[in-house]
Amino acid sequence: AQSVTQLDSQVPVFEEAPVELRCNYSSSVSVYLFWYVQYPNQGLQLLLKYLSGSTLVESINGFEAEFNKSQTSFHLRKPSVHISDTAEYFCAVLTQGGSEKLVFGKGTKLTVNP
Amino acid sequence: EPEVTQTPSHQVTQMGQEVILRCVPISNHLYFYWYRQILGQKVEFLVSFYNNEISEKSEIFDDQFSVERPDGSNFTLKIRSTKLEDSAMYFCASSGRTSGNLGQFFGPGTRLTVL
Repeated sequence: AQSVTQLDSQVPVFEEAPVELRCNYSSSVSVYLFWYVQYPNQGLQLLLKYLSGSTLVESINGFEAEFNKSQTSFHLRKPSVHISDTAEYFCAVLTQGGSEKLVFGKGTKLTVNP
Repeated sequence: EPEVTQTPSHQVTQMGQEVILRCVPISNHLYFYWYRQILGQKVEFLVSFYNNEISEKSEIFDDQFSVERPDGSNFTLKIRSTKLEDSAMYFCASSGRTSGNLGQFFGPGTRLTVL
């Protein structure tokens, strides 16, 4: 069975600082990887995904994540955060060629302070 | 931009009552899902639905739960006899092809409170 660990439940940072939100997964088979973001009082929005190919994937709002198979990680990074990035971020995995079930981590609450 | 919608946003019910949570997936999507998130816990998969039948369900999805696509646009989750532990945020999601291709798109959720 797959599992996802997000090591930090809360990450406070100052505006314009860099940030890394960590995600590690466990799976005996190949997986697809996703990051979702949940802004206050809203649903889950797909931020970016790794399906195949280049291990570095980017979103339209400056976030990027790198798939590292040897370390079974998919950390999310942004070089300079804005107040508007304050949200909860969820890492999720999906088994390749099998179940349609997304398995989520517990989430990391990112708070960007002025 | 098309989006998944859910109604109601918040539902309060008495233990033992039946509830129906409603979702309108993105119009050309073929795969539909329900997830739930108990306060302070992970988002958990409940069920997936494709071609008018359940394709996968979790251990949580017992006989108290059922899903239906009553028409071409709605997708519902019914809980027959609610329990206190059913209190959670319920998310509907849809995808156009298998999730490994495009990812799943989520609605804003329905907060269910069982008293």
